[in-house]
Amino acid sequence: NAGVTQTPKFRVLKTGQSMTLLCAQDMNHEYMYWYRQDPGMGLRLIHYSVGEGTTAKGEVPDGYNVSRLKKQNFLLGLESAAPSQTSVYFCASKLVETQYFGPGTRLLVL
Amino acid sequence: DQQVKQNSPSLSVQEGRISILNCDYTNSMFDYFLWYKKYPAEGPTFLISISSIKDKNEDGRFTVFLNKSAKHLSLHIVPSQPGDSAVYFCAASTGGTSYGKLTFGQGTILTVHP
Repeated sequence: NAGVTQTPKFRVLKTGQSMTLLCAQDMNHEYMYWYRQDPGMGLRLIHYSVGEGTTAKGEVPDGYNVSRLKKQNFLLGLESAAPSQTSVYFCASKLVETQYFGPGTRLLVL
Repeated sequence: DQQVKQNSPSLSVQEGRISILNCDYTNSMFDYFLWYKKYPAEGPTFLISISSIKDKNEDGRFTVFLNKSAKHLSLHIVPSQPGDSAVYFCAASTGGTSYGKLTFGQGTILTVHP
């Protein structure tokens, strides 16, 4: 039981490049979330999903897209990366009221 | 508009003493509160939670207190241990149709000195 896993762990992008961050969970949780963490700002919700095939916008969705084609996977896409998207990205899945987080993906956009 | 605030960026305590981390919120619709602990290069891990129908919840060395009238919660760690050194985030949700979305505070860095 790996819990929540994220790939890649670290990535450097040039402005304008695209990439997809993968989140996988093996706990059969319905709800999944993507957050970004920036210094002094805590974690902010980007997008979330309440089940396979559903997605919704969070607090800071601009510049990101998501897909939940399979219950266990939640993908976060950056179509055209910008330096403002340099951050640490965390995925989480939820059981009852508690969210369980992955180890994070550190993204640097030059 | 920061709905959940942790006004102390850092806290330093001696091993064996009590650590008290504070959190304030402005949204009166929040009805569930959580504390997460985060080590460097790792994801946040759940520590303890409290529902708005309670004013205290304990789990071993960790106790969370909720003062709804003051819109304030605190996390007490007794006794503090060097392994408790980490960033602590408080988070809140509104339940119901919020789909479990959490609003986080900025975090407090706790350092426990041996």
